Amino acid sequence: GDSVTQMEGPVTLSEEAFLTINCTYTATGYPSLFWYVQYPGEGLQLLLKATKADDKGSNKGFEATYRKETTSFHLEKGSVQVSDSAVYFCALSGYSSASKIIFGSGTRLSIRP
Amino acid sequence: NAGVTQTPKFRVLKTGQSMTLLCAQDMNHEYMYWYRQDPGMGLRLIHYSVGEGTTAKGEVPDGYNVSRLKKQNFLLGLESAAPSQTSVYFCASSYPTGGSGGTDTQYFGPGTRLTVL
Repeated sequence: GDSVTQMEGPVTLSEEAFLTINCTYTATGYPSLFWYVQYPGEGLQLLLKATKADDKGSNKGFEATYRKETTSFHLEKGSVQVSDSAVYFCALSGYSSASKIIFGSGTRLSIRP
Repeated sequence: NAGVTQTPKFRVLKTGQSMTLLCAQDMNHEYMYWYRQDPGMGLRLIHYSVGEGTTAKGEVPDGYNVSRLKKQNFLLGLESAAPSQTSVYFCASSYPTGGSGGTDTQYFGPGTRLTVL
């Protein structure tokens, strides 16, 4: 079945460092890909998404490109801030009823001042 | 708009007790979902609903029941709680935009932390 694999955390970086969180997927057909973020004590919220191959999703300085040839959707940010500390989830949604989403296990990111 | 709200925020149960978690959304969304979040396992879908009066099983439905009597509400019930159901429960909703369907964004509530002793 469909699945998402993302790099295990926790990831700890210094402020202004470059961030990459790797995500690969397995799916039939052409799924949509998402990054959701969970700040401490809150629910998940959509960070960015891409709905077809070669699309780039971007938001709040984060970017991810839908790479069909490598089945990847890596999250990047050029200069992280303390406020980016959160848990990041890679996810996919296929051509199914009810827009069900399959989530990766999450990567905890901590940014040191 | 309040978005997606969940009641209660915290709850402690003893093994064998029952309870109902309430999810409400004010965005007129057709689809609603219940997930559980456990350390290192991401979110797993328990049950979902594609409209008022309809429900379906997700990935981990055993031990849970749901009802969607009103479009804006989605209830998750535990008839006889077990320690394995200790988790954080999230409700979400989405609006089908048509087309592939898989492009729809889900909107999440703040979660309910449940401990079963």
